[in-house]
Amino acid sequence: SQQGEEDPQALSIQEGENATMNCSYKTSINNLQWYRQNSGRGLVHLILIRSNEREKHSGRLRVTLDTSKKSSSLLITASRAADTASYFCATIAGGTSYGKLTFGQGTILTVHP
Amino acid sequence: DAGVIQSPRHEVTEMGQEVTLRCKPISGHDYLFWYRQTMMRGLELLIYFNNNVPIDDSGMPEDRFSAKMPNASFSTLKIQPSEPRDSAVYFCASSRTGGPKNWGYTFGSGTRLTVV
Repeated sequence: SQQGEEDPQALSIQEGENATMNCSYKTSINNLQWYRQNSGRGLVHLILIRSNEREKHSGRLRVTLDTSKKSSSLLITASRAADTASYFCATIAGGTSYGKLTFGQGTILTVHP
Repeated sequence: DAGVIQSPRHEVTEMGQEVTLRCKPISGHDYLFWYRQTMMRGLELLIYFNNNVPIDDSGMPEDRFSAKMPNASFSTLKIQPSEPRDSAVYFCASSRTGGPKNWGYTFGSGTRLTVV
């Protein structure tokens, strides 16, 4: 079963608007990561937030993590048509020395020019 | 850096045939992962290696699937015999020393497998 569950499943916005995607997970984590997948391509790592961090920024991306609620959000500000892609959260379970990432089902983001 | 290289990009084969997917990880990366992506099941981890040693193969669906990593620069995923339900996109990913706890994975472009 998937560890992370994204919400919404699909999101459609206009260029320039902000896009917010949410991710919930079930077990304790070491870190949470967000990936982007363009149609027909592999996944690209966007950002990693550790369990002891609450917020992280990278360019137009802002990620928050609430371990008490077992949830994370990804905010893309001033979206562009090129941001159209699927976005996945992924987690590494806490208390493990392994590197096994478990992915959610993803949010399909469409940005209209 | 050429990234993670997978071959072939597309494979169409008949049911019952053997299929071999190949992956070359990024030089210096000591973790290698094989994932399968379908619409129904999303991204599933099949197996991963650390320093060429299989660490967790609990995601391998059944005995028809096998994976090897004979050296640090090459891995194969083999399906024998193939079935239509194996149709999916298969991704290889690698990660550097320190593991994915500190850095993310780098994915290849995937192999789209169609079994008819």
